Amino acid sequence: SQTIHQWPATLVQPVGSPLSLECTVEGTSNPNLYWYRQAAGRGLQLLFYSVGIGQISSEVPQNLSASRPQDRQFILSSKKLLLSDSGFYLCAWSGQGPASWETQYFGPGTRLLVL
Amino acid sequence: QQPVQSPQAVILREGEDAVINCSSSKALYSVHWYRQKHGEAPIFLMILLKGGEQKGHDKISASFNEKKQQSSLYLTASQLSYSGTYFCGTGRGSSNTGKLIFGQGTTLQVKP
Repeated sequence: SQTIHQWPATLVQPVGSPLSLECTVEGTSNPNLYWYRQAAGRGLQLLFYSVGIGQISSEVPQNLSASRPQDRQFILSSKKLLLSDSGFYLCAWSGQGPASWETQYFGPGTRLLVL
Repeated sequence: QQPVQSPQAVILREGEDAVINCSSSKALYSVHWYRQKHGEAPIFLMILLKGGEQKGHDKISASFNEKKQQSSLYLTASQLSYSGTYFCGTGRGSSNTGKLIFGQGTTLQVKP
């Protein structure tokens, strides 16, 4: 069966510090991968998605970046965090088909607080 | 173009029914429904593809009216475990654009 991992689970970082969040998927190959952010009490905002190694599409211009160095690894990074980067970061995976009919499965999330 | 969910919040007693609506101003290919408990990841409930189909899962079912560009989630005889925030995610095409656009969520609270 497929499993998706995210770490760390919780992170408190000062403004201006760098960020690296990691997501890995087990039990499948060639998945589509996604990064979402959820502000407190709000909906899911798609940040990045990837359909293959090294292929990243950005949805929201901001100080975050994503990379996919391996087939089942997705990394979210920032060089300098802003207060507005605080939130709940969710990684998700789906099969290789179109997003319209592929189920997205979410990881446990990373709660980031920027102070 | 984020889909609009209504109502924003609803409070029920155990055993009561609820309907959550998801409407889009754009043509839809699919609607995905998720439930999220506080502090946890969203859990997939069901996908509906265009064609006006209706699906059911235990006492939770949904319909999709592509002409009206809307979907409704029906929760019957609600249980305490149904509490959480429900999101609809809309897919607009059959190409691999990689995107679902999620609504703002509907918070459901079921009381004993």
